[in-house]
Amino acid sequence: DAGVIQSPRHEVTEMGQEVTLRCKPISGHDYLFWYRQTMMRGLELLIYFNNNVPIDDSGMPEDRFSAKMPNASFSTLKIQPSEPRDSAVYFCASSSYFTEAFFGQGTRLTVV
Amino acid sequence: AQTVTQSQPEMSVQEAETVTLSCTYDTSESDYYLFWYKQPPSRQMILVIRQEAYKQQNATENRFSVNFQKAAKSFSLKISDSQLGDAAMYFCAYRTPSGYALNFGKGTSLLVTP
Repeated sequence: DAGVIQSPRHEVTEMGQEVTLRCKPISGHDYLFWYRQTMMRGLELLIYFNNNVPIDDSGMPEDRFSAKMPNASFSTLKIQPSEPRDSAVYFCASSSYFTEAFFGQGTRLTVV
Repeated sequence: AQTVTQSQPEMSVQEAETVTLSCTYDTSESDYYLFWYKQPPSRQMILVIRQEAYKQQNATENRFSVNFQKAAKSFSLKISDSQLGDAAMYFCAYRTPSGYALNFGKGTSLLVTP
């Protein structure tokens, strides 16, 4: 397996634009997580899914953020409209009941 | 809510020496998992070692070992024979068996000098 795949690796966008981050989890994993990493706040959980169903979205900062998992092999995190304070590295991770979390390489988002 | 504290923002070690990174956590649970993740400049989060709270024996993985003190809620990482490739951010993380999301500490930046 190629591991957790995130795209794009880097994204630069202007304030007010819509941004969509993508994630393909490891096949067979039934948990998927979105984390955000910033210098000030460290690694924070935004949302996680189990069997494509959102379980805990209490970390989603505000209504501008939304996440979907339409099937077991794909998830998106959308920010609309984006703001400079959303600049961060966004990680997707997946796991199963028997394994630890495996992380993607992250998407570095810069909102100017 | 469970909190994870890494009190050392930065540490430095000479090549071939040993270094210990500290982590404490706060929980009311009796069963849980603890992890150390490494994040090199490439940004990839790499699992270094894991420890199940019900196991008294400290986990080891080659040059990496932990000192797990359950009563003290302490989980330190020891790196022996440090190598230049060990330079990275190290994150301590916690999760319960039923809650699959990880709670991370703020990280410790490890510098390895020749």
